[in-house]
Amino acid sequence: QVQLQESGPGLVKPSETLSLTCAVSGYSISSGYYWGWIRQPPGKGLEWIGSIYHSGSTYYNPSLKSRVTISVDTSKNQFSLKLSSVTAADTAVYYCARHPNIVVAGTSWFDPWGQGTLVTVSS
Amino acid sequence: QSALTQPASVSGSPGQSITISCTGTSSDVGGYNYVSWYQQHPGKAPKLMIYDVSKRPSGVSDRFSGSKSGNTASLTISGLQAEDEADYYCSSYTSSSTWVFGGGTKLTVL
Repeated sequence: QVQLQESGPGLVKPSETLSLTCAVSGYSISSGYYWGWIRQPPGKGLEWIGSIYHSGSTYYNPSLKSRVTISVDTSKNQFSLKLSSVTAADTAVYYCARHPNIVVAGTSWFDPWGQGTLVTVSS
Repeated sequence: QSALTQPASVSGSPGQSITISCTGTSSDVGGYNYVSWYQQHPGKAPKLMIYDVSKRPSGVSDRFSGSKSGNTASLTISGLQAEDEADYYCSSYTSSSTWVFGGGTKLTVL
């Protein structure tokens, strides 16, 4: 079955760039679907960060757009998140998840999800 | 974009039914049949329970159902069981081609 696994540094200094990778197994990213990042600050709710298609087409949360870059590496079957100029407010568990191309498929869901990785922003 | 509005907490006794609401606007919940619901147990990743307002993924109990009226979507859990105790989040596609989540609802099974 499709599995997603996040990886990256667990500690990032303020003003630096947070970088995470999501490795996909059991499915080829090139076969379709969008691949997204969602985060959850400790004790708080979920926030969609952005998504990318295998072609490189992206959608970003307007509130984070100026600091976010999502890219895809089909040769490694993985996609990545970069969030620049981080502050303590960016401390969160970061999840990656798959979702359909809503325009083509006419359906919307996030499934499956990775297990999540906690990133703490602190000096 | 503003988060969808959910009650902070709901509770019910085993065997009872509960409903969690999720209120948005005509630009998200009210404008599209693209509302989904997720269950999250402590320390775990969210799990898809309902999509496209009322559809259930394979493997999800039929005790879980979804509906929508205007700008408000609802998740109903019937025959409450202890293992249903978790946080629940709604999500909707928006007119800006983005996705927005609700603030989450903590379900306590008494």
